[in-house]
Amino acid sequence: DIQMTQSPSSLSASVGDRVTITCRASQSISTYLNWFQQKPGKAPKLLMYTASDLQNGVPSRFSGSGSGTDFTLTISSLQPEDFATYYCQQSYSTPLTFGQGTKLEIK
Amino acid sequence: EVQVVESGGGLVQPGRSLRLSCAVSGFTFDDYAMHWVRQVPGEGLEWVSGISWNGRTRVYADSVKGRFTISRDNGKNSLYLQMNSLKGEDTALYYCAKDHLAIFEGVPSAFDHWGPGTQVTVSS
Repeated sequence: DIQMTQSPSSLSASVGDRVTITCRASQSISTYLNWFQQKPGKAPKLLMYTASDLQNGVPSRFSGSGSGTDFTLTISSLQPEDFATYYCQQSYSTPLTFGQGTKLEIK
Repeated sequence: EVQVVESGGGLVQPGRSLRLSCAVSGFTFDDYAMHWVRQVPGEGLEWVSGISWNGRTRVYADSVKGRFTISRDNGKNSLYLQMNSLKGEDTALYYCAKDHLAIFEGVPSAFDHWGPGTQVTVSS
């Protein structure tokens, strides 16, 4: 199985900050990497697919990059509604696997 | 508008069975693969199973293989998860998720719409 490791596990930041979350795969997954945002009590929401493609309706302050084993999700200027938990997920091979999550909190 | 709604969760004793259902609308159901993903409250996400658009490809996580069966009825726009021999570690919120592709093996699939989830609690 492909292991996905996110860092950091938690992060404190302020509105307006630029934030980067990292995801590392245990083997190369090309660009078969998705990012999700989850708020308390809600289902996850797809933000990015194939590493850098923005899902319809997601603000352009979100961007993704990477290929192979190392990926990043960047939020260019944090907004109040961005405080949530973020998960990466690989779709390169089954079983499909998620990172452990990064909780983004208000400083 | 795409809608995904799970049902069938509840409290069940270890070793018993439960069948989850997922009703969808707002898109052509038989154009897309579908998945079940679960989450223990306060913990991370675990993919449970996926099924291709025509039902021919069904894949399971090792943790449920041999106990859970995924199926779909394209005529009823519905996805199912038959869960047998339930264990305490199956306790979780179960989400039904739509893929943005018709298949999910060997392609860059992604879960683009999710339901609110249905809670399954396995306890005596």
